[in-house]
Amino acid sequence: GAGVSQSPSNKVTEKGKDVELRCDPISGHTALYWYRQSLGQGLEFLIYFQGNSAPDKSGLPSDRFSAERTGGSVSTLTIQRTQQEDSAVYLCASSLRGTGHNEQFFGPGTRLTVL
Amino acid sequence: DQQVKQNSPSLSVQEGRISILNCDYTNSMFDYFLWYKKYPAEGPTFLISISSIKDKNEDGRFTVFLNKSAKHLSLHIVPSQPGDSAVYFCAASGNSGYALNFGKGTSLLVTP
Repeated sequence: GAGVSQSPSNKVTEKGKDVELRCDPISGHTALYWYRQSLGQGLEFLIYFQGNSAPDKSGLPSDRFSAERTGGSVSTLTIQRTQQEDSAVYLCASSLRGTGHNEQFFGPGTRLTVL
Repeated sequence: DQQVKQNSPSLSVQEGRISILNCDYTNSMFDYFLWYKKYPAEGPTFLISISSIKDKNEDGRFTVFLNKSAKHLSLHIVPSQPGDSAVYFCAASGNSGYALNFGKGTSLLVTP
């Protein structure tokens, strides 16, 4: 079956603009995660959705970052008033469930460049 | 603070030899550990995992060893193949079981 898909694959924007990144998780997966990888760094957890529960936003770096998940499926990560330090690869992952230990399946990522 | 550390940014190994990738962690609440493999322009793919109740897990050419007292795990690849050349990330999770804490990765190059 289809894996996790993300769009766009690349996004170049100017400082101060807003961007939206999209994630389509694997069908049937109830848990969805956003991570980002800055240059030379590991993956940094941003936000987690599990079913209809309130998301865990503890990893979001500032209030310019927000995310939503509609209908328990597709998720959108929005970055307002982008800054150069937001440049990174944004990765989405999904898992069958969010409790217990589950393998997370990652999408290919969106490479965001803020000029 | 980096709770999962991969202190070797790169490793070069000859084809057929053993590759050993190391990972250290600081949070004693971590009870599940994973290795992911990442090729350029692709997302990380799951390789192998180990629960804290075990000290070894093997899957084909890949074996992960866990030393809880030292808060250290390692991934052994035997024999190494050129197709194993990729960045390997160590990750850990705790009781919450969801957010993964990742190391910075080790870039493995397997030369023919």
